[in-house]
Amino acid sequence: EAGVAQSPRYKIIEKRQSVAFWCNPISGHATLYWYQQILGQGPKLLIQFQNNGVVDDSQLPKDRFSAERLKGVDSTLKIQPAKLEDSAVYLCASSLGGTVNTEAFFGQGTRLTVV
Amino acid sequence: AQTVTQSQPEMSVQEAETVTLSCTYDTSENNYYLFWYKQPPSRQMILVIRQEAYKQQNATENRFSVNFQKAAKSFSLKISDSQLGDTAMYFCACYSGNTGKLIFGQGTTLQVKP
Repeated sequence: EAGVAQSPRYKIIEKRQSVAFWCNPISGHATLYWYQQILGQGPKLLIQFQNNGVVDDSQLPKDRFSAERLKGVDSTLKIQPAKLEDSAVYLCASSLGGTVNTEAFFGQGTRLTVV
Repeated sequence: AQTVTQSQPEMSVQEAETVTLSCTYDTSENNYYLFWYKQPPSRQMILVIRQEAYKQQNATENRFSVNFQKAAKSFSLKISDSQLGDTAMYFCACYSGNTGKLIFGQGTTLQVKP
């Protein structure tokens, strides 16, 4: 079974530039999460999708971050314009959801450096 | 709202010894699950162990076991016979069975020393 795929693995941009990250979840997984993980800290939930609908985006800085999950499969997360404090690893995870298959599977992450 | 707190930023243990990582959580829901995830230096997060909140029996997975104290909202992870490959960052997480929301603690960096 293929895992969660993320690209790119690494990205370096200057502040005020824009950047996009891509995630392809495990086939059949209805729930998709995007997390921001600053070095040495725990993952912070940015947005949660159930199929192509947003369940929770309360922690997403909507003035600069946006995310979509068209057709309920793969997803993109965009930052525009980037700030220095956006430097972090962006993790994508997916799960079948519900109360039986609760395990979330994670991708390798995209490490973003804003200079 | 769900919150997860890990109060031990760093811990170390000698190889073959036992170590316990602490976690407390808060949730207003009755339908929730608790997890411990491991994140090795390669960064891919993997599940270590899962506990359904409605089950009284503590979960066990080989050398990993939990001490789930529901009234105290405490969920600690015990690693027995520690191995060098256990060196990683460990995250406690709380999952809402109603919304699917998955929240993580700040993490504990565990170093297993030879």
